[in-house]
Amino acid sequence: AQTVTQSQPEMSVQEAETVTLSCTYDTSESDYYLFWYKQPPSRQMILVIRQEAYKQQNATENRFSVNFQKAAKSFSLKISDSQLGDAAMYFCAYRAPWDMLTFGGGTRLMVKP
Amino acid sequence: DAMVIQNPRYQVTQFGKPVTLSCSQTLNHNVMYWYQQKSSQAPKLLFHYYDKDFNNEADTPDNFQSRRPNTSFCFLDIRSPGLGDAAMYLCATSRELAETQYFGPGTRLLVL
Repeated sequence: AQTVTQSQPEMSVQEAETVTLSCTYDTSESDYYLFWYKQPPSRQMILVIRQEAYKQQNATENRFSVNFQKAAKSFSLKISDSQLGDAAMYFCAYRAPWDMLTFGGGTRLMVKP
Repeated sequence: DAMVIQNPRYQVTQFGKPVTLSCSQTLNHNVMYWYQQKSSQAPKLLFHYYDKDFNNEADTPDNFQSRRPNTSFCFLDIRSPGLGDAAMYLCATSRELAETQYFGPGTRLLVL
């Protein structure tokens, strides 16, 4: 079975600085998808960024970018120019084609003004 | 805007009293999912529908049932809620199984 590990239960960052959230996964598949979801307090979970394993280029969405290392099975999220609104639980997730999402345990990000 | 809607946002029920949570979507997606999320934990998939086909996760308790009367609506029925069923319940949809899931705001269930 696939597993997703987020080794940092909590992280904090100063406003306007950069922070990196770690995620590793275990799979025997060669084709799969990786996601970062953001869940602000008492608000709904939204997709931050998505990466297809067959694409070597790292996905980027505005201030959010990933460092995808397929051989190392690592998928970290970098948030640049952190804002107060970035404070949330961040979940890394994995999905093989035609299978269900497997979530990591989450990382709580705090942003200090 | 196309979206996933969950009602109610907060639900209080009594121990053992059946309760139904509702999810609707305007995305016209084929797949609808129900997740249970306990405090500071990852969401746990309970079951999903692909169109009218129901797929139960192996470890979902029998106490949890679901109905999907049409494409737009999906219901989660908890037949006899226990204190351990207090949680956030998330509905999600995707166009196909292989595609990105979009989540609703969740219903927080409190069992007294």
